[in-house]
Amino acid sequence: QLHLQESGPGLVKPSETLSLTCTVSGGSISGSGTFWGWIRQPPGSRPEWIGHIHNRGSPYYNATLKSRVVISLDTSKNQFSLRVMSVTAIDTAVYYCVRPHDYAFDDWGQGILVTVSS
Amino acid sequence: QSALTQPPSASGSPGQSVTISCTGTTRDVGAYNYVSWYQQHPGRAPKLMIFEVTKRPSGVPDRFSGSKSGNTASLTVSELQAEDEADYFCISRIDGGNVYVFGTGTRVNVL
Repeated sequence: QLHLQESGPGLVKPSETLSLTCTVSGGSISGSGTFWGWIRQPPGSRPEWIGHIHNRGSPYYNATLKSRVVISLDTSKNQFSLRVMSVTAIDTAVYYCVRPHDYAFDDWGQGILVTVSS
Repeated sequence: QSALTQPPSASGSPGQSVTISCTGTTRDVGAYNYVSWYQQHPGRAPKLMIFEVTKRPSGVPDRFSGSKSGNTASLTVSELQAEDEADYFCISRIDGGNVYVFGTGTRVNVL
């Protein structure tokens, strides 16, 4: 049973960088053909796809966030990460790490609320 | 950002059925059989209920079923139970760089 767990600061100041890590257990992020990604959900709003990365390929990002987002893998720790640069209040959201498979999201972390505020 | 259109709410009594629509375009729902549905209870992570339009993951009750006609996908919840009261949203693959487009979400109320 795959388990994903987000970690990182719950409060980030405006203009700074939001950094989150997803630790995967119950499976290897290096597994053949696997994708790993992030979705966020602003309070009271629908979810928004941020991006994903293939364990052997380039990342894909939401076009509206592409200039500020980086998703990367750390196979030695079985983790993947998200960085969102130059954050503002609109980046306040619950951030979920996810495992995409055949254009659906089979597995989700429990989510972590990140608030952007001074 | 574009979104798939869902009704804001749907209701039904225990034992009844409710159907939620998810309307897109020829670039997303109409183009691919990659529509998935998610259930989300307040304060919880979404849970995959249907993938590839009609398929149920292991452990999802067969009271949940999916279908598609043209640019509109649908989720039907039969034999409504109290625990089915939740938000539901759809996701589709989309042409172009963003890969995915999300639905606007539907709150299902069990009366």
